[in-house]
Amino acid sequence: GQQLNQSPQSMFIQEGEDVSMNCTSSSIFNTWLWYKQDPGEGPVLLIALYKAGELTSNGRLTAQFGITRKDSFLNISASIPSDVGIYFCAGLKDGQNFVFGPGTRLSVLP
Amino acid sequence: EADIYQTPRYLVIGTGKKITLECSQTMGHDKMYWYQQDPGMELHLIHYSYGVNSTEKGDLSSESTVSRIRTEHFPLTLESARPSHTSQYLCASSEVGFGYGYTFGSGTRLTVV
Repeated sequence: GQQLNQSPQSMFIQEGEDVSMNCTSSSIFNTWLWYKQDPGEGPVLLIALYKAGELTSNGRLTAQFGITRKDSFLNISASIPSDVGIYFCAGLKDGQNFVFGPGTRLSVLP
Repeated sequence: EADIYQTPRYLVIGTGKKITLECSQTMGHDKMYWYQQDPGMELHLIHYSYGVNSTEKGDLSSESTVSRIRTEHFPLTLESARPSHTSQYLCASSEVGFGYGYTFGSGTRLTVV
């Protein structure tokens, strides 16, 4: 079936550093979403992308819809302790449910 | 305030018990979903519904069942709970139409002893 890969699987960074993570697939998707999940909670939608090449920001977060439509990228600038959590990407093809990636686990060291 | 609610948040039960996990949303969304997630791990779709009286199995085989008698309500039932059912169960909903993101509930953390 369709699969999404997220890289890195986990990362440990210092507070104040910038973070980059990506989501890749062998298939083309028409929509990309990025979610964040805090421990013990449900995922919360951060950014939605609908067009190849689209670059969208939400505060310190910036996400891009890859030109090939097979990938997406999320950047977090100037990380803070509350950025800790799991970041999931999700891709959508016409007429199907969203497919979720396995997540990138972010830890921020003070 | 429009939202999606799951109850209970935490449940510890004995093997063999029948349980129902509740999920309700006040957004009028037609599409609803159940995901199973072990702590810190991937999300696995186990059931979904595109509207009243519509239910489908997801990608991960599950012994649970669901019903959709009302738009706002999508309960999940386990007839006989087993320790292998221990997990977090997340409910989500979305609007009909292309590309609408899912709104997730806070989840039910189930432990079967």
